[in-house]
Amino acid sequence: QSVLTQPPSASGTPGQRVTISCSGSSSNIGSNTVNWYLQLPGTAPKLLIYRNNQRPSGVPDRFSGSKSGTSASLAISGLQSEDEADYYCAAWDDSLNGWVFGGGTKLTVL
Amino acid sequence: EVQLVESGGGLVQPGGSLRLSCAASGFTFSSYWMSWVRQAPGKGLEWVANIKQDGSEKYYVDSVKGRFTISRDNVKNSLCLQMNSLRVEDTAVYYCASEVSYYGSGMDVWGQGTTVTVSS
Repeated sequence: QSVLTQPPSASGTPGQRVTISCSGSSSNIGSNTVNWYLQLPGTAPKLLIYRNNQRPSGVPDRFSGSKSGTSASLAISGLQSEDEADYYCAAWDDSLNGWVFGGGTKLTVL
Repeated sequence: EVQLVESGGGLVQPGGSLRLSCAASGFTFSSYWMSWVRQAPGKGLEWVANIKQDGSEKYYVDSVKGRFTISRDNVKNSLCLQMNSLRVEDTAVYYCASEVSYYGSGMDVWGQGTTVTVSS
């Protein structure tokens, strides 16, 4: 049971827009920024979004992040087959004094 | 090129010990927090521990407190995780990670991971 809550799965067709939610509490998302990571099977995670809505160099602008209160979301527009992966949200938790992750969302491109 | 390379994983019996290492290159290792993150087979990511630049602050997830110790050597540019009293549930791929380029990202550089299997 992860501290941050994500839907276990999401899906969409090529070209569609999908969103993945991440719900937390006042000690994590409510008081700190949210990061998103992408993980392809058998590979290390890769930073996708940091500080709620910032994209690292090289990440397409099809990926966007937002945060409101104790929840955050990742949006992927113009869905492509190569977007099929596991997506994780994360935030620092002031009560636990540690990083907490969501359980991950497996995105399927139909 | 910024790079993190883990080593030291393997098969160990419950109650045993293992020491993981992470060799850093391509950046000023002593300037950044370092973390260990693990992923059990078929499961999600779990942050394990992190350590401040000078080693003066260390934080652990509750499930490893008192059993795991994170340390660093800023001369050798290396990070370690000493794991004692290992349990079956510690079985996972262990990643070394750091926030190097993007402030607030927590972890923007990751190693390839090293596999720890705890089994009798």
